[in-house]
This record gives sequence, C-alpha cells and structure tokens, in this order.
Amino acid sequence: EAAVTQSPRNKVTVTGGNVTLSCRQTNSHNYMYWYRQDTGHGLRLIHYSYGAGNLQIGDVPDGYKATRTTQEDFFLLLELASPSQTSLYFCASSDARGDTQYFGPGTRLLVL
Amino acid sequence: GDQVEQSPSALSLHEGTGSALRCNFTTTMRAVQWFRKNSRGSLINLFYLASGTKENGRLKSAFDSKERYSTLHIRDAQLEDSGTYFCAAEMNTEGADRLTFGKGTQLIIQP
Repeated sequence: EAAVTQSPRNKVTVTGGNVTLSCRQTNSHNYMYWYRQDTGHGLRLIHYSYGAGNLQIGDVPDGYKATRTTQEDFFLLLELASPSQTSLYFCASSDARGDTQYFGPGTRLLVL
Repeated sequence: GDQVEQSPSALSLHEGTGSALRCNFTTTMRAVQWFRKNSRGSLINLFYLASGTKENGRLKSAFDSKERYSTLHIRDAQLEDSGTYFCAAEMNTEGADRLTFGKGTQLIIQP
C-alpha cells in the first residue's frame, strides 16, 4: 500500500500569514498532487507535479504556490493566507498517468 | 457545467440494506476512481476502474465509458460504512493526468 504523509495535520493562522504544507511519499511515485476539499465542491486540484523541479497549474491555483524539491517531497505554499483558504487539504501521489492516486491523511487549515 | 455529476448528495440507509451511488459524466472519461472519506477525514481508496466491474467485499463498482457513468453498489450496509463517498474521473484526452471529482455523497448508516 502506497504511503503518503502530510504535515502538519492541523494548522491555524491569521489573515496575511505565511503557511507551508508538506507532503511526502515514499513509493518513488512520479506524480504528486495538492487538492483542497470543501463542502459542495468535492476535491479541487490546486497544483501537481510530474517530478522533482516540475510544477503544473491545477484548476484552482490562485493564492497558492507549490514546489517539488525532490521526488518524495511536494510543498504547498500560502504566502498571504486568506479566510477563503480555510479548507481541508489533501496531497496525493501516483506512479504514472492513469494510475491510482493514493491520498495522504489531510491537513486542516483555519485562517482567521 | 460540472463534468462529473454525482448522486445522490445524501443517502440514509438502515443496517443490512443496500443501495447504489452514481456518477454521470458529461464527456468520455478514461477511468474512474471511488473514495470514501472516513470520520477522521482520511480518503480511502475503494476502486480504480478503466472498464467493467470490480468487487471488494460488500462493495461493487462498475464503469461504462461509452455510456458515461459509473456506479458504486453497497450491500448489507454496516455502521462503519458511514462517510462521504467521492467518485473521481480521468478525462480521455492526451495529456490528461488529473482527476475531476464529484461533489460527494454523504452516506449515513442507521442502526
């Protein structure tokens, strides 16, 4: 079973704050993804990556940056957090295009 | 409009009964994946289908790309089946490597 971990699991910040969400997968998967999940919207793709150094824009990228530093690590950056970014964030990974995506446990972010 | 239409949005079942969740697609999808979000907020992989049907215990899923739908059948529902279920589909276009999610079905199993 693929292993995807996220940290922190919970985070509270204030409007304008700087937040970094971390994701690590230990299965040598090429693809990694960041989603946010909000009631009434399902999961929406923020950014994704094919591999270390690569970044692709997702469907709801505004207000987010991301960086894939290694094959294992994918970070989501909120440099000026806003209350609208209060959400549950999931990271996922997959080996190749078309493969099953494996999800991390999620990070709850509250922006006051 | 939404490319993945999931129904129902909420469903309540008594223990031991069953039902089906459905996702309709507005375009041809290459594959579909079903997840359950449990009470702790984690997403659990249930099925990944590129065609046909798969069964795992009390769950069975089907995917028909041509008819643009997928279903998830639950039989003999148990309390621990409660949670929000999502389908996610992969578009059938070159370069597509992302999932488009339905809005979820909140399933409540009652004693």
